[in-house]
Amino acid sequence: QQPVQSPQAVILREGEDAVINCSSSKALYSVHWYRQKHGEAPVFLMILLKGGEQKGHDKISASFNEKKQQSSLYLTASQLSYSGTYFCGTERLGTGGSYIPTFGRGTSLIVHP
Amino acid sequence: DAGVTQSPTHLIKTRGQQVTLRCSPKSGHDTVSWYQQALGQGPQFIFQYYEEEERQRGNFPDRFSGHQFPNYSSELNVNALLLGDSALYLCASSQSRYEQYFGPGTRLTVT
Repeated sequence: QQPVQSPQAVILREGEDAVINCSSSKALYSVHWYRQKHGEAPVFLMILLKGGEQKGHDKISASFNEKKQQSSLYLTASQLSYSGTYFCGTERLGTGGSYIPTFGRGTSLIVHP
Repeated sequence: DAGVTQSPTHLIKTRGQQVTLRCSPKSGHDTVSWYQQALGQGPQFIFQYYEEEERQRGNFPDRFSGHQFPNYSSELNVNALLLGDSALYLCASSQSRYEQYFGPGTRLTVT
């Protein structure tokens, strides 16, 4: 049930682009993206909802393919501050009627000057 | 406006002991979720509290229990600690399902 992220790690230079993918074997209601820097708490970046609605970050974009149960996070013209581990989170409807979040294992992104 | 706060920052316990971790949500948030994050892994959902009741629970044993107080703060209790319980415990608060704010976490080491 855990979403699968790829690649596991990305190393790039400042100004380059990166794509991080997230896929699930279960139907997705939404996809959340978080970034966690070493020793810090995860920080919310974006949520993509079934039906195309998107809420989140100004400088990072993402797509959500409901039929393929996949999402991709697009980091363009990367900056040093983009370094960190990116997690995608999906939701499944719990027995209590609310949503249970499940996170992938993360993608480590390192941006070099 | 203070964000999510957690205490203590670090904790060392012995196998078999019990531990209580605390969380104060961001102002205006009424929902608190707890996660366990092992090294190199994503956060694993333990449970969520809303209106002082456990609303949802992940795949964690009954040794993990919690509580939410009228001011929305929350506690996570773990009984009969195992070595495998060593992890970073994150608390996250939210006002809706659309965005969670995470606290800095409590690093628990069980020896």
